[in-house]
Amino acid sequence: EVQLLESGGGLVQPGGSLRLSCAASGFSFSTYAVGWVRQDPGRGLEWVSTISSSGAYTYYVDSVRGRFTISRDNSENTLYLQLNTLRTEDTAIYYCVKDKAVPGTDWYFDLWGRGTLVTVSS
Amino acid sequence: IQLTQSPSSLSASVGDRVTITCRASQGISSYLAWYQQKPGKAPKLLIYAASTLQSGVPSRFSGSGSGTDFTLTISSLQPEDFATYYCQQLNGYPPFTFGPGTTVDIK
Repeated sequence: EVQLLESGGGLVQPGGSLRLSCAASGFSFSTYAVGWVRQDPGRGLEWVSTISSSGAYTYYVDSVRGRFTISRDNSENTLYLQLNTLRTEDTAIYYCVKDKAVPGTDWYFDLWGRGTLVTVSS
Repeated sequence: IQLTQSPSSLSASVGDRVTITCRASQGISSYLAWYQQKPGKAPKLLIYAASTLQSGVPSRFSGSGSGTDFTLTISSLQPEDFATYYCQQLNGYPPFTFGPGTTVDIK
């Protein structure tokens, strides 16, 4: 089955860190760009970060650049998002997403995971 | 680039024709996608490049527009179509923003 499965969410205090993982299956993971989109009930959907198929190129929304780091392990078919210096406004469901295009990226997300909840609160 | 959607919510009956509008704050050519999200589920890609139907999506869904004004049309609303619909612009360089969403519920 073609799917993405996130893990690693939880409750963390402001200033803390978390590492999200996304296990991919059912498709050639190393061929596609993948990334993260988050959803906060108050602010809707927000694209967070994308990484190219090889991992050579990474992209971030301004609000997380310098605090979050996206990476991938193509040998393990796994995507990661390291979240540091977390803020209350980072509270959201974080979805792992797959880009539709191959090669390259066209930024259309044709596969989404179920999401993992990150709550930043003291 | 900011996106607005109208209406923010609507009530409709099974079989109705439904139209949702997405407006961009500046021209984005045809770099627009539509997603459907049901409660407790992840969004699902319906349409990309403004008017191209994603594989597996029923043909009652259609998209149109270019530049700043776009529409998503459901020709005959089905029970499984009650959901929230989001547009997303993909013009130029990231970040590629989403619209605020339109919720379609049962009249």
